[in-house]
Order: sequence, then C-alpha cells, then structure tokens
Amino acid sequence: EVQLVESGGGLVQPGGSLRLSCAASGFTFSSHVMTWVRQAPGKGLEWVSTISGAGGRTYYAESVKGRFTVSRDNSKNTLYLQMKSLRAEDTALYYCARAPPDATFFTDYWGQGTLVTVSS
Amino acid sequence: DIQMTQSPSTLPASVGDRVTISCRASQSISSWLAWYQQKPGTAPKLLIYEASALQSGVPSRFSGSRSGTEFTLTISSLQPDDFATYYCQQYNSESPTFGQGTKVEI
Repeated sequence: EVQLVESGGGLVQPGGSLRLSCAASGFTFSSHVMTWVRQAPGKGLEWVSTISGAGGRTYYAESVKGRFTVSRDNSKNTLYLQMKSLRAEDTALYYCARAPPDATFFTDYWGQGTLVTVSS
Repeated sequence: DIQMTQSPSTLPASVGDRVTISCRASQSISSWLAWYQQKPGTAPKLLIYEASALQSGVPSRFSGSRSGTEFTLTISSLQPDDFATYYCQQYNSESPTFGQGTKVEI
C-alpha cells in the first residue's frame, strides 16, 4: 500500500525557516517524481515544487523560487522541502504527492499534509 | 503561467443528477489535464488524467472530455459520496496550475 506521511510543520515567525519531510513507503520511491502542493486555509490547491526521481531536476512555483528548496534521499525514501524567508502567505497545509510511473506533473497518491503557520 | 478557469464555483445538485463541471485553459494544453476530488479534511484524490483517462478504482460514472481548451468533468448520476470539491489541473508546462475549484453541494 502506498503511504506518504508528512511531518515538520508548525508555527514559525515571518522570516523564519522550516524543513518539511515526507516519508514514503509501499512503492519504489526512486522511480517516481515527487511533488509538494499546498493549500491555504479555506482556499484552493497551489503547486509548489517537483523533483525528479533521481533528484537531478527540480521545479518551483514563482511564488517560492529562491526561498524553498526541494530535495530527496532515496536511500531513506524521504522527500524534503526546506523553506526559508517564510511569509504570512506561506501559511498552508503542505501535501507531498507522488506522480504515476512515467509521469511528471500530475499526481496519483497524496499524504494527509502538514500544517505550516507563519505568524508573529 | 497558464490560467485555469473553472465554472461554476458552486454547484447545487441532488442525488441522481447529471453534473458537469467546466475548466478552460488560457492557452493550448493539449490533453494534459487532470481532475481531482477533495472532501473536507482529506487529501485530493485523482479521478481523471490526460483529459479523459479514468484512474484505476474510480467509478465509471465519472468521465472527462476535451474540446480545444475547454475541458469537462461529468458525473452521470450523482451519488451521496460525490458531494465534494473538484479541481482541474493542467500539466502541460513545467509550472502546473490548478483551477480554483468547484464545490458540488446539496
């Protein structure tokens, strides 16, 4: 069974940093592109970042480019999102999601999300 | 970025209704479009990809179609479990974007 479990969310002050993790199981992690999507409270979905299976290619939304860094450790089956210079508008539930085999930018399995709140 | 415009934002419906949700892309995305269903407090679930391909395990009452840059999600006979918010997503570019969502409610 495919499982994605996010962690690392919490309350952080504006300008602060946070690192999210996503532990994957039930599939060959290194064979799948992985993505972060966020959802502000009561709002819609926003794509944040995507990383290739081997980790060599990364993609970012303009709203986070230069502040967020996506990475993965295929030996630990874990996806990361390093977030810095956080702003109030980064407050959201952050989901990690898996792309199907041979796909890149759409996703077939999602975790339950980890909440990031940026506030003083 | 490619803009995705969904309509309507809210759709009142009843069990047994045929429901259609539209999504328009601001430019050509070929058939690189997915539909997701999200219920309150849960993660989105993939329903349709490549505009009309049904994801494994999704009931056949869900279908997707394309006409140019207009995409449609159809639920042939609405079931109680289908009351949810639906999002389209284009993945034609390296900057995928979602529609704003359509809430199907009683």
